[in-house]
Amino acid sequence: GAGVSQSPSNKVTEKGKDVELRCDPISGHTALYWYRQSLGQGLEFLIYFQGNSAPDKSGLPSDRFSAERTGGSVSTLTIQRTQQEDSAVYLCASSSQGFEQFFGPGTRLTVL
Amino acid sequence: DQQVKQNSPSLSVQEGRISILNCDYTNSMFDYFLWYKKYPAEGPTFLISISSIKDKNEDGRFTVFLNKSAKHLSLHIVPSQPGDSAVYFCAASAGGANSKLTFGKGITLSVRP
Repeated sequence: GAGVSQSPSNKVTEKGKDVELRCDPISGHTALYWYRQSLGQGLEFLIYFQGNSAPDKSGLPSDRFSAERTGGSVSTLTIQRTQQEDSAVYLCASSSQGFEQFFGPGTRLTVL
Repeated sequence: DQQVKQNSPSLSVQEGRISILNCDYTNSMFDYFLWYKKYPAEGPTFLISISSIKDKNEDGRFTVFLNKSAKHLSLHIVPSQPGDSAVYFCAASAGGANSKLTFGKGITLSVRP
């Protein structure tokens, strides 16, 4: 079956512009996560959606970052007024009822 | 503050030999641990996991050992194969199933033919 998909695969933007990153989780997975990996770093948790519960936003680095999940499926991560330090690979993952999270290929964001 | 630490950034081993990848953690609330493997330009893929109630879990060539008192776990790959060359991430969970993972910075494993 289809895995987690993300779009775009690459995004180059200018400092100060807004960007939207999309994630399509595995069908039926109730939990959806956003992480990012900056150069030379591990994966950093950003936000987590579980069913109809309020999302866990504890990892969002600033109020320029927001995310939504529509209809319990597709999610969009929005970064407003992008900064150069936002450059990273943004990874989306989904899970069903276990600990294992299934990751998408990521979106490489470059802020010039 | 890094709660999951992979202190060795890289490891190089000969094909057929054992690879041992280490991971330390500081948060005593972690109760489930996972190893992920990542190739360039791909997302991480799950490899093997272990619950804190166990000290060993084995799956084919991969074995994970957990030492709770030392807050240390290790991944053993034997025999190592060139296709194992990748970045390996250690991750930990404290909130049960379907909760966020805390990752280490990763170890780049190179298996020489």
